[in-house]
Amino acid sequence: EVQLVESGEGLVQPGSSMKLSCVASGFTFSNYGMNWIRQAPKKGLEWIALIYYDSSSKYYADSVKGRFTISRDNSKNTLYLEMNSLRSEDTAMYYCANVNSDWYFDFWGPGTMVTVSS
Amino acid sequence: DIVMTQTPSSQAVSAGEKVTMSCKSSQSLLYNENKKNYLAWYQQKPGQSPKLLIYWASTRESGVPDRFIGSGSGTDFTLTISSVQAEDLAVYYCQQYYNLYTFGAGTKLELK
Repeated sequence: EVQLVESGEGLVQPGSSMKLSCVASGFTFSNYGMNWIRQAPKKGLEWIALIYYDSSSKYYADSVKGRFTISRDNSKNTLYLEMNSLRSEDTAMYYCANVNSDWYFDFWGPGTMVTVSS
Repeated sequence: DIVMTQTPSSQAVSAGEKVTMSCKSSQSLLYNENKKNYLAWYQQKPGQSPKLLIYWASTRESGVPDRFIGSGSGTDFTLTISSVQAEDLAVYYCQQYYNLYTFGAGTKLELK
């Protein structure tokens, strides 16, 4: 059974940093691209970052470019999102999802909540 | 960037009704080389993460009931639920994967 489990939930102050993790199981993690998607409270979904299966390419939404970094460790079946210079508008549920060979998202994790507030 | 516009934003329905919702993209999602539309639909129930329903605009994911029907091509797409069930009350998002990813704002199905 495919499982994606995010962690790193917390409350942080504006301007600070935070790192999220997503541990994958039930599939060959190193064969799949991975994404981070977020959802602000009572709002819609926003794709924020994609990393290829071998980390050879990374893409970001304009809203996080230069502040967030996506990375992965295939030996640990783990995806990361390093978030710097956090703003109140980064408050959201953060989901990881895999991308299959046809480029849509097969599976999503349950999400982890990040709150940026003073 | 490709903009995805979903209408309506919410819809009140009764069990057994046929429901249609629209998704329009700011540019064509049809890739000429393979004649496929890079459009997916996801269902999100309260307190849950999104679940893939439809990909390639009209292909149902394994296990998705056949009352969910995706159609359309180019820039205009529709998700139809032929006979709404209580468990279908959720928010439905379309997503383009033609050029990175963009989601529509969602259509929320509520009980009438």
